Amino acid sequence: AQSVAQPEDQVNVAEGNPLTVKCTYSVSGNPYLFWYVQYPNRGLQFLLKYITGDNLVKGSYGFEAEFNKSQTSFHLKKPSALVSDSALYFCAVRDFSGGYNKLIFGAGTRLAVHP
Amino acid sequence: DVKVTQSSRYLVKRTGEKVFLECVQDMDHENMFWYRQDPGLGLRLIYFSYDVKMKEKGDIPEGYSVSREKKERFSLILESASTNQTSMYLCASSSDIIQETQYFGPGTRLLVL
Repeated sequence: AQSVAQPEDQVNVAEGNPLTVKCTYSVSGNPYLFWYVQYPNRGLQFLLKYITGDNLVKGSYGFEAEFNKSQTSFHLKKPSALVSDSALYFCAVRDFSGGYNKLIFGAGTRLAVHP
Repeated sequence: DVKVTQSSRYLVKRTGEKVFLECVQDMDHENMFWYRQDPGLGLRLIYFSYDVKMKEKGDIPEGYSVSREKKERFSLILESASTNQTSMYLCASSSDIIQETQYFGPGTRLLVL
């Protein structure tokens, strides 16, 4: 069965420092991986995705993610964090079971960027 | 830009009431989804629909039903609301193209008293 794990409930980082939000996955076949962000009292916004090609994927708001097949990971990164990056981040993997096009989400990681 | 709208941002209902949550998308997407979001549990799929009048159960369908009479509209129904259905409800839509992402509405925060 497809699954995705976000091992950290919360990540704290100082403004200006690099940030990493971790995600690992388990899939049969090639993974299709996504990152979403949720600001307070809002829906989810798409950040970036990995389908195929370069292992380093660039997305919105200066975020990027590195696909690592051997470690089955897809960590979200940003070189210099902003206070406005504070939000809830979700990793997701495409689920094709039953022939349907769905996503399976991780439990989410809350990112807190301190001034 | 894709737009997914939900009929209410906040709802307060009483136990036993029938509750309707409406979702509309404007991108002619085939697929629509209802999730509930609870702290520490992430997003859990309640129901989804891949075509008009078609529906499939997700991971937690108990206590819910859905309706999709038109392609752009997907309704979630709580037949008899209970306090354990207090949650954030998120609607999403996507095309059939597997590389494409899902687009989310702003969410409805439901409180059942």
